[in-house]
Amino acid sequence: NAGVTQTPKFRVLKTGQSMTLLCAQDMNHEYMYWYRQDPGMGLRLIHYSVGEGTTAKGEVPDGYNVSRLKKQNFLLGLESAAPSQTSVYFCASRRLLAEETQYFGPGTRLLVL
Amino acid sequence: SQQGEEDPQALSIQEGENATMNCSYKTSINNLQWYRQNSGRGLVHLILIRSNEREKHSGRLRVTLDTSKKSSSLLITASRAADTASYFCATDPSGSARQLTFGSGTQLTVLP
Repeated sequence: NAGVTQTPKFRVLKTGQSMTLLCAQDMNHEYMYWYRQDPGMGLRLIHYSVGEGTTAKGEVPDGYNVSRLKKQNFLLGLESAAPSQTSVYFCASRRLLAEETQYFGPGTRLLVL
Repeated sequence: SQQGEEDPQALSIQEGENATMNCSYKTSINNLQWYRQNSGRGLVHLILIRSNEREKHSGRLRVTLDTSKKSSSLLITASRAADTASYFCATDPSGSARQLTFGSGTQLTVLP
């Protein structure tokens, strides 16, 4: 099993450009999460999904949209990138509500100029 | 807002010594988890302690939880250079949709 994978690993955008980050998991997990990590800080939750076709806002959702059309994929979109969105983005998944452990992907480093 | 806050922010020790990191949180929780992050990598789950537990062990790791003080500690015994990483506590607040809230982390450096 590959676990949780993220595409791309690194991306540079200009202000105003759009992009989509892809998270894929092959563990048949119900729950998926998108976090951002800024220097010297912990992870902050952007959006999450409790199952295929459902999404919900986290702590810092502004400027981002998400979709979960397939159970194994969770997409994070930036419609109009801003320098404040420069960060490292992590995806995580979790099997069930009763299982608390989250499994993380390797991260996507995004630089917005 | 950050639910968990780790202390110290950075810790440097010699190989073979013990490392202790602390975490404080603000609201009632279902459980508290510790994760490790190696430089440039994702987070890896280390250990979970439930709100009705006071202490838990896993290999060289020992976690304590004091719900009255809303605090937890992670002890790594006989540290190794490979333990060099950032360590984060994450709380699973009561009544939430099981969204973890992470602290800002402790950067541990183990010198050979």
